[in-house]
Order: sequence, then C-alpha cells, then structure tokens
Amino acid sequence: NAGVMQNPRHLVRRRGQEARLRCSPMKGHSHVYWYRQLPEEGLKFMVYLQKENIIDESGMPKERFSAEFPKEGPSILRIQQVVRGDSAAYFCASLLNREDTGELFFGEGSRLTVL
Amino acid sequence: GESVGLHLPTLSVQEGDNSIINCAYSNSASDYFIWYKQESGKGPQFIIDIRSNMDKRQGQRVTVLLNKTVKHLSLQIAATQPGDSAVYFCADHTGGFKTIFGAGTRLFVKA
Repeated sequence: NAGVMQNPRHLVRRRGQEARLRCSPMKGHSHVYWYRQLPEEGLKFMVYLQKENIIDESGMPKERFSAEFPKEGPSILRIQQVVRGDSAAYFCASLLNREDTGELFFGEGSRLTVL
Repeated sequence: GESVGLHLPTLSVQEGDNSIINCAYSNSASDYFIWYKQESGKGPQFIIDIRSNMDKRQGQRVTVLLNKTVKHLSLQIAATQPGDSAVYFCADHTGGFKTIFGAGTRLFVKA
C-alpha cells in the first residue's frame, strides 16, 4: 500500500515561470491537504481539498496560487509566475476520514527553488 | 488568533536520557492534538495523539500529557535514542479542517 506520493521531489524554476506540484494521496483517502514549510519553520496550512472540491483555501495566497483535486488523477498545486519567496518545501498530506482520527499521512515533499 | 507554539527551539539530550518537549496553545476550545516527528528531508510522521477528555496517553516509549488548565501539552520520550533526533511538532487538529502546526523543536541526541 503505497503512501502519499509527491512529485517532483525537487523543482528549480526561474522567476516568472510556473511550478506544478503533484500529489497522489494514499489509496482510499479522499481528503488532501497542502502545507508549505520554510527552512527551520513549521508547516503552514495552505488548502484542504476533497475530490473535485476546495473545502478551505484560507491559507493560500489569493494570487498566483491554485489547487485542484480532480475526480481522476492527483491533486495539483500550481504556482504561476514564481518569485524567489516561493522557494520552500511543499508537503501534501492525506486523510482517510475527517470524523475519525486526525492523523495526516504526509508525502516526502516537493522542494521548490526559484532562481 | 489561534496559535500553537513551543517553548524551546532546540533540545539536546544524552542518549538514554528522557526527553521532554513542550507545547503551548492559545485556543481554549482546542480539543485534539497530535505530535509529529519530522526527520531531515522527509515529511512529518504521526507519533501520538490526545483528545481533551484525557490528561495522559502513552505509546511505545512516548507519553503525551495535556494540561487544559494552562493550555499546555508535552511529549516525553523515554530512553532517547539517536534515531529520535528530529524536529518534533505539536499540532492542533481541532475542527478537522486545517491542522495548525507549531514552529517545532529540534531534538539532538548525543551519543
């Protein structure tokens, strides 16, 4: 049973380019969370999605950032026109059932470097 | 606003000693907390959780204590081992939507 899969693990972009980060949740999990982590800091909530729905995007910047979790395929975090401040590790986590345990299963993260 | 914070950014312990990592929270309505361990270059992993109807919960070599009166919880690791070296986060999962993470405590285990 594969865990949460994120790709790419490392991504380098120049300022102004687009970054797409993908996340496949654990089998059977329909809840996906995206977090952002700067070096030596905690994880900042960005967005919570269920299949085809954005439930809470209060932690996501209003501009340039978007997320989706289509009926088929992985969840995508998209960052348009990247800036140096977007450099961070982006972690995806999945949850089986929100009413059950709150244990989030995290992927290994995607590390974005903006030159 | 809501926050989950830690008292110490780093903790250094001798191998074999017990470790205590502290966490304070500000929302008195918070009722579900989780401790995560994050090793270098990896995603966080669940260690143990506790709900507000409990004061203490034990796992394998780990114990979480919750003091709702002072809004404080701690993670105790018994007989700390080199493999315990990591960053530890307490997280508030109240409400189930967005788990709020603290800044983390880096644990160094000296051989």
